[in-house]
Amino acid sequence: QVQLVQSGAEVRKPGASVKVSCKASGYPFTSYYIHWVRQAPGQGLEWMGVINPFGDDTTYAQRFKGRVMMTRDTSTGTVYMALSSLKSDDTAVYYCARDYYGSGSPERYWGQGTLVTVSS
Amino acid sequence: DIQMTQSPSTLSASVGDRVTITCRASQSISDWLAWYQQKPGKAPKLLIYKASSLESEVPSRFSGSGSGTELTLTISSLQPEDFATYYCQQYNSYPYTFGQGTKLEI
Repeated sequence: QVQLVQSGAEVRKPGASVKVSCKASGYPFTSYYIHWVRQAPGQGLEWMGVINPFGDDTTYAQRFKGRVMMTRDTSTGTVYMALSSLKSDDTAVYYCARDYYGSGSPERYWGQGTLVTVSS
Repeated sequence: DIQMTQSPSTLSASVGDRVTITCRASQSISDWLAWYQQKPGKAPKLLIYKASSLESEVPSRFSGSGSGTELTLTISSLQPEDFATYYCQQYNSYPYTFGQGTKLEI
């Protein structure tokens, strides 16, 4: 079965960086895109970007450009999301999610979420 | 970016009620819309994709309709497990964008 397992909770100081991992299993890793979505405490869902594990191409939401980088390791079936220059309002649960049937489809399978806390 | 506006933000209802949530897009998204259900502390769950296609194992009391700029999610007869927050999401173009959510409460 499709599984996405994310790394554990992180605490960072403002200005620092964080890297969250998402290990995929149960399907051909390079056949489906992986999206990253975050949710601040008590708030809604915010789409951050997407990576194509086959070609390593990425698309990021404008507000994260220059601060976010999504990468993948095909040897381990793992996708990474790195966010730099952290601010307190980056405190959120970060989810990775696999798309449903390929490019241009919504997120169907979700990781368990990783809480990133930014606090001095 | 395509803006998605959901209404209402909060909806109070009772078991057995029929409820409708509306999502309006700032430009036409054809039928490239998904609906998610989220319960506290859990990841979102895909209910409907392509505006009206029911995800497998999702009860048939959930249905989606519409296209263009106005789309709706209807729950025909609310069950206790349906009380949650619902989000629409357009995937017509990047960046994918979500509505602000509708909290369905008893």
